Amino acid sequence: QVQLQESGPGLVKPSGTLSLTCAVSGGSLSSSSWWSWVRQPPGKRLEWIGEIYHDGGTNYNPSLKSRVTISVDKSKNQFSLKLSFVTAADTAVYYCARNLPPIFGVVFDAFDIWGQGTMVTVSS
Amino acid sequence: ETVLTQSPGTLSLSPGERATLSCRASQSVSSRYLAWYQQKPGQAPRLLIYAASTRATGIPDRFSGSGSGTDFTLTISRLDPEDFAVYYCQQYGSSRTFGGGTKVEIK
Repeated sequence: QVQLQESGPGLVKPSGTLSLTCAVSGGSLSSSSWWSWVRQPPGKRLEWIGEIYHDGGTNYNPSLKSRVTISVDKSKNQFSLKLSFVTAADTAVYYCARNLPPIFGVVFDAFDIWGQGTMVTVSS
Repeated sequence: ETVLTQSPGTLSLSPGERATLSCRASQSVSSRYLAWYQQKPGQAPRLLIYAASTRATGIPDRFSGSGSGTDFTLTISRLDPEDFAVYYCQQYGSSRTFGGGTKVEIK
């Protein structure tokens, strides 16, 4: 059973860069799935940040695209998020998630496996 | 960007009752790209329904999804005590967005 685990600093200074890693266990990151980052500010709705495929292909939320970089390390079976020039508005629980793989070749859109989430606070 | 509006914001019901949750999109969404999640305090979201009406693996059949175009519904036929939680819809179009959530609380 695939499991995801986020890791990274829980506190980032304003104007700094938020860096998180998601370790994939129980399966290969090189499967036919995309892998995403999703965040949830306190008391607010979930927000999709972006996604990556094992070949390095990426898609980002247009509202965050200028500040986001998602990368993959197949040798470590993990993928990472960098969010630059952070402000208090970036304070949130950050989740990594697996996009539902195609079923009999049909692509749907949902996140079927989630990490437990990690709280990141932007504060000086 | 497609905005998802969920209603009601809070639903107060008793165990055993039927819950009907609505998700309305600001523009048409492909049914293949509409999903529902359950989230309990301090936990990650859990996928319940994808493709608008297909239950995810291990999800009880008291959960059902329906709808098309701009109007989608999640129905819980008989509320179990473990079903009291917040529910979110999510869509994929040019980007991905989530609804604001419906909290199902014990009356």
